[in-house]
Amino acid sequence: QTVVTQEPSLTVSPGGTVTLTCASSTGAVTTDYYPSWVQQKPGQSPRTLIYSTTNKNSWTPARFSGSLLGGKAALTLSGVQPEDEADYYCMLYYGDVQGVVFGGGTKLTV
Amino acid sequence: QITLKESGPTLVKPTQTLTLTCTVSGFSLSTTGVGVGWIRQPPGKALEWLALIYWDDDKRYSPSLRSRLTIAKDTSKKQVVLTMTNMDPVDTATYYCAHTLGIAAAGLDYWGQGTLVAVSS
Repeated sequence: QTVVTQEPSLTVSPGGTVTLTCASSTGAVTTDYYPSWVQQKPGQSPRTLIYSTTNKNSWTPARFSGSLLGGKAALTLSGVQPEDEADYYCMLYYGDVQGVVFGGGTKLTV
Repeated sequence: QITLKESGPTLVKPTQTLTLTCTVSGFSLSTTGVGVGWIRQPPGKALEWLALIYWDDDKRYSPSLRSRLTIAKDTSKKQVVLTMTNMDPVDTATYYCAHTLGIAAAGLDYWGQGTLVAVSS
């Protein structure tokens, strides 16, 4: 069974920079996994910030960016704001048979 | 404006079949490239992808739940229906539907508000 691993929790000070990562049990994450990043605040529905590794939706603040880093997908927040405190999930695509797998989520504390 | 809204029972008994409906607006289920997926989240736990159906009726299922899931759409009613058989208390979760223009390249862009389903006798 494929497992997608994220840091369980991270803490960052307001105005700081933090990078969340997403690893696959199958090996290095590449653009072929089309990594997405989903933000979920308490009591709210998820919303997708980043798709296909680096692409932003119209509602994604400029301080969020996606990349690949050391064989993992990465989400970097630069100039963190208090409202960025949330759970962040990565989502990887494993092809038509297996579909997509979500990571366990990272709880970001600001 | 794209919106999705989930509906269904709030409580089901173990072994029963769950039927959830996702009613969409702002787009057509027959538009080339459009898909609607289902994702669930047990209380305090992570998201889990369940199933996806595309405009051409192509369907995808989570391998671990494939035997219990059926996804279908009614284009005229603008609805996507998910059925899950043999419900168990571990299936207690908030169930979300979401819009996509290709889950690989475009991700899940618009999400519904979710509906909480409890499984208990």
